[in-house]
Amino acid sequence: SYVLTQPPSVSVAPGETARITCGGNTIGSKSVHWYQQRPGQAPILVISFDSDRPSGIPERFSASNSGDTATLTISRVEAGDEADYFCQVWDSPNDHGAFGGGTKLTVL
Amino acid sequence: QVQLVESGGGVVQPGRSLRLSCAASGFMFRSYSLHWVRQAPGKGLEWVTVISYDGSNKYYADSVKGRFTVSRDNSKNTMYLQMNSLRPEDTAIYYCARDLQISTWFPFDHWGQGTLVTVSS
Repeated sequence: SYVLTQPPSVSVAPGETARITCGGNTIGSKSVHWYQQRPGQAPILVISFDSDRPSGIPERFSASNSGDTATLTISRVEAGDEADYFCQVWDSPNDHGAFGGGTKLTVL
Repeated sequence: QVQLVESGGGVVQPGRSLRLSCAASGFMFRSYSLHWVRQAPGKGLEWVTVISYDGSNKYYADSVKGRFTVSRDNSKNTMYLQMNSLRPEDTAIYYCARDLQISTWFPFDHWGQGTLVTVSS
């Protein structure tokens, strides 16, 4: 199965920039999606197809995907951004879905 | 508005079966593929299965293949997950989710609130 690797945690101060990575073998050839999950809630989509921002998601959220690493970037981090973030891909050759292990973003 | 409501969760003994339902409303159900995703307590998300809009294509995670079966009834706007031979490691919140686009697997633009399945003796 296709493995996606995320750092367990990232910590930033308010107003700084958070970068959350998602590693996978030639992940740059796949479409990567990102979700935010706050405690006790269902996830919400924050980035689709590598870098598209759904309606209602602040411009502070952006992402890129190249080579073996996809990156979610959150600029001017706010306290409300504190949550778990998961990357996701569809592994086409094997017809399986895959999620990264998740990264807990802590706003100091 | 789009709504997905899961039901059927509960406490079940190892080796027993359970069937989950995902009732949908607010969109053309028969046009969208749907997924089940689970999350063990305090853990990350795990994709479980997908069923295409017409039920003709189904794919499963290796961890559930041969034990779980996904199905749908487009006349009732409902998707199901039949879970057999349950194991303690199947304990999780089970979410149903809808694909954003008709033409692709992933991403999910809508999720239900989940139903908790606990496998314990």
